[in-house]
Parts: sequence; C-alpha cells; structure tokens
Amino acid sequence: AQTVTQSQPEMSVQEAETVTLSCTYDTSESNYYLFWYKQPPSRQMILVIRQEAYKQQNATENRFSVNFQKAAKSFSLKISDSQLGDTAMYFCAFMGPYGGSQGNLIFGKGTKLSVKP
Amino acid sequence: DGGITQSPKYLFRKEGQNVTLSCEQNLNHDAMYWYRQDPGQGLRLIYYSQIVNDFQKGDIAEGYSVSREKKESFPLTVTSAQKNPTAFYLCASKLGGRLNTGELFFGEGSRLTVL
Repeated sequence: AQTVTQSQPEMSVQEAETVTLSCTYDTSESNYYLFWYKQPPSRQMILVIRQEAYKQQNATENRFSVNFQKAAKSFSLKISDSQLGDTAMYFCAFMGPYGGSQGNLIFGKGTKLSVKP
Repeated sequence: DGGITQSPKYLFRKEGQNVTLSCEQNLNHDAMYWYRQDPGQGLRLIYYSQIVNDFQKGDIAEGYSVSREKKESFPLTVTSAQKNPTAFYLCASKLGGRLNTGELFFGEGSRLTVL
C-alpha cells in the first residue's frame, strides 16, 4: 500500500524568505501523481501544485515550486518570497495511475506553516 | 459559481443520535469523497463514490453510511455506532475517467461535536 510521510509537523519562516516543506512517499508504481494542498485557517483546502511522475521537469506555480526526486521518492515544496497569506496547513498527497481505489488520493499528516512578519 | 457546498458548518449531537452531513456539488464531477480530519492525523478516507448508485468503503468506514442517488449529492450519515465521531468532515469531488487529473475540489467542511 502506498504511504505518504511528512516529517515536519510544524515550521515557521520570516516573511519574504524561502521555506521548503518535505514529503516522501512509498509506492511500487512507475506512473503516478503527486500534489500539494493548502488548508488556510478558513479551512477550505485548495490545490497548490501538481506533478506527474512521468514528467522529469519540476512543476512551478508562481512562488511555489517542487523538487521531485523520483528515485528517492521525494517531493518537496519550496515557497519563495513567503507571504503572511501562506500561513496554513500543507498536505502532500499521492494518487496512483488507475481508476478504482487507486484513483483515490492518499494524504500525509500535514505540515503547519507559520509565516511571521 | 461552481463549487461544493457542505452543510451544516457546525453540528452538535448527543451520544446515541444519528446525524447526516450534506454535500452538494454543481461541478458535474463523477467522483465524490468524504474525509475525516483529526489533529495530527491528516485526512482519512471514509467513503467514496465514482458513479451514481455506487459507493465504496474507505479506510475508516465503520460507523458511517452514505448514499449516491444523484450525481450532485453525496450525504454522509454518522451513526451511533461511530465510537468517536467528534471531528472535522470534508467532502470533495473530482472528474472521473480519462479527464481525471487527480485534482480534488473541497467543500468548506462540517465540524461535528458530540456532547
């Protein structure tokens, strides 16, 4: 069974600095999808960034980028120029390549990020 | 605006009572999901449905029940058999089949407290 591990329960960063959140996963699949979701204090989860395992290029969305290391099964999220609005829980998630139960997302336990002024 | 609506946002229940949490989506998504969120536990899958009139148990289905009579609706009933029901419940949906990019769209959640 696939697992997702986020080893940093809490992190903090100063406004305008860069922070990296770690995520590792375990799977025997060769093709799959990885995600970072953000849950701000308002509680609505939103997608931050998505990576397809067959793509070697790391995904980027504005200030958010990932470092995808397939062999190491590592998928870290880098937030550049941190802003106060980045304060949130961040969840790493894995999805297998097929439909059925493998089309379900498996979430890590989350990292609580605090951006300090 | 398209989205997912969960109701109620806050719900209090006495022990021994069943309660039903509503989830409605107007995104025309095929698949719908219920997750439970507890502090330090991440999101755990309760039930999911990939098509109308069909649903499957997730990792923590005991004490819960669902129905999927309409594409737009996926209500969750928390029964008296659920031993520790106080939690935050999230409903989500996504496209199915070949259009499935994996992206889940979430509702704002329902906070259930058992008194």
